[in-house]
Amino acid sequence: AQSVTQLGSHVSVSEGALVLLRCNYSSSVPPYLFWYVQYPNQGLQLLLKYTSAATLVKGINDFEAEFKKSETSFHLTKPSAHMSDAAEYFCAVSDQAGTALIFGKGTTLSVSS
Amino acid sequence: GAVVSQHPSRVICKSGTSVKIECRSLDFQATTMFWYRQFPKQSLMLMATSNEGSKATYEQGVEKDKFLINHASLTLSTLTVTSAHPEDSSFYICSGSGGSYNEQFFGPGTRLTVL
Repeated sequence: AQSVTQLGSHVSVSEGALVLLRCNYSSSVPPYLFWYVQYPNQGLQLLLKYTSAATLVKGINDFEAEFKKSETSFHLTKPSAHMSDAAEYFCAVSDQAGTALIFGKGTTLSVSS
Repeated sequence: GAVVSQHPSRVICKSGTSVKIECRSLDFQATTMFWYRQFPKQSLMLMATSNEGSKATYEQGVEKDKFLINHASLTLSTLTVTSAHPEDSSFYICSGSGGSYNEQFFGPGTRLTVL
């Protein structure tokens, strides 16, 4: 069975600071991994995805994530936080492309000026 | 990416009534659609998976007679919450995959409030 653990339900950073959101996964097969962002009362927007190609994945809005099989991790980073990055972030895993996703519990990112 | 719409975006209903939520793929054929439920401050939980023309597959603990899912065409899936109760109040999000896409595209969600 697959699962996702997001360490830290709430992360606070200052504007301009590095953003690091942690995600560890468990999967018995090579996983497909995703990061989504959700703004209040809205659906999910895909930030980036790993589908067994390059281990360093670049996404929208300068976000990137690195797949580390040895650590079963897929942490999300952004070099410089903007106020508009404040939102809920979800890491998700699936065992095949286009199949149902298993989501982590989410991390709320707060950005202060 | 592809676009998925949901209607309505918000609905308030009385306890005991039924509510239908529509999920449409606007520019691709969604051979598979997924329905998720998200309670406040919580993650998304998969309720069911539906393939066009087939009966939906429900996750454990989700009552198929209460949450009726229809996926009659490649662009439309509906979720009907029958005899809704206050504990069904939640944010319902659909997603679709299919065509040339190997990922899911999410709708904007429907906020259901049962009084």
